[in-house]
Amino acid sequence: NAGVMQNPRHLVRRRGQEARLRCSPMKGHSHVYWYRQLPEEGLKFMVYLQKENIIDESGMPKERFSAEFPKEGPSILRIQQVVRGDSAAYFCASSAIPAATTEAFFGQGTRLTVV
Amino acid sequence: AQSVTQLGSHVSVSEGALVLLRCNYSSSVPPYLFWYVQYPNQGLQLLLKYTTGATLVKGINGFEAEFKKSETSFHLTKPSAHMSDAAEYFCAVSGNYGGSQGNLIFGKGTKLSVKP
Repeated sequence: NAGVMQNPRHLVRRRGQEARLRCSPMKGHSHVYWYRQLPEEGLKFMVYLQKENIIDESGMPKERFSAEFPKEGPSILRIQQVVRGDSAAYFCASSAIPAATTEAFFGQGTRLTVV
Repeated sequence: AQSVTQLGSHVSVSEGALVLLRCNYSSSVPPYLFWYVQYPNQGLQLLLKYTTGATLVKGINGFEAEFKKSETSFHLTKPSAHMSDAAEYFCAVSGNYGGSQGNLIFGKGTKLSVKP
């Protein structure tokens, strides 16, 4: 049973380009969370999705960022017109029930560098 | 707002020595508490969690943590450090109250170094 799969592992984008980060949750998991980790910081919650629904996007910037978790396929975190401040590690986690009460399994992250 | 404070961004111990990583949280209701470990360029792995019941929780790799409500603490300990314990450790509390029903709120992390 594969764990949470994120790709790419490393992504380099020039300022103004778009970044698309993919997350395939563990089999049987319908809850997906995206977190961002800035250097020397802990993980900050961005968005919580269930299949086809955004449950909580309170941690996601209102501009340029969007997330989806379609019925088929991976969850996508999309960052438009990237800026240097978007450089960070983005982690996806999944769980079978809400992660507040159980273990959330994390992927290895996508490290985004904006040049 | 709920928060987690990890005292000490860097902790260094000698191999075989006691490991103590501190975590305090703020909450007005009983929290669910977690410790995760992150090795370089890896994702996070759950060490242990407290939800209800016994306040002393045992996890993987010989780690344990004790929930102390009166001190709002959930410190992580291990009696004898191994070189392989060198990593970054994150304390987290559930956002099960006053916020999202699903997400976790993380502390800033503590980097543990183990000296030979």
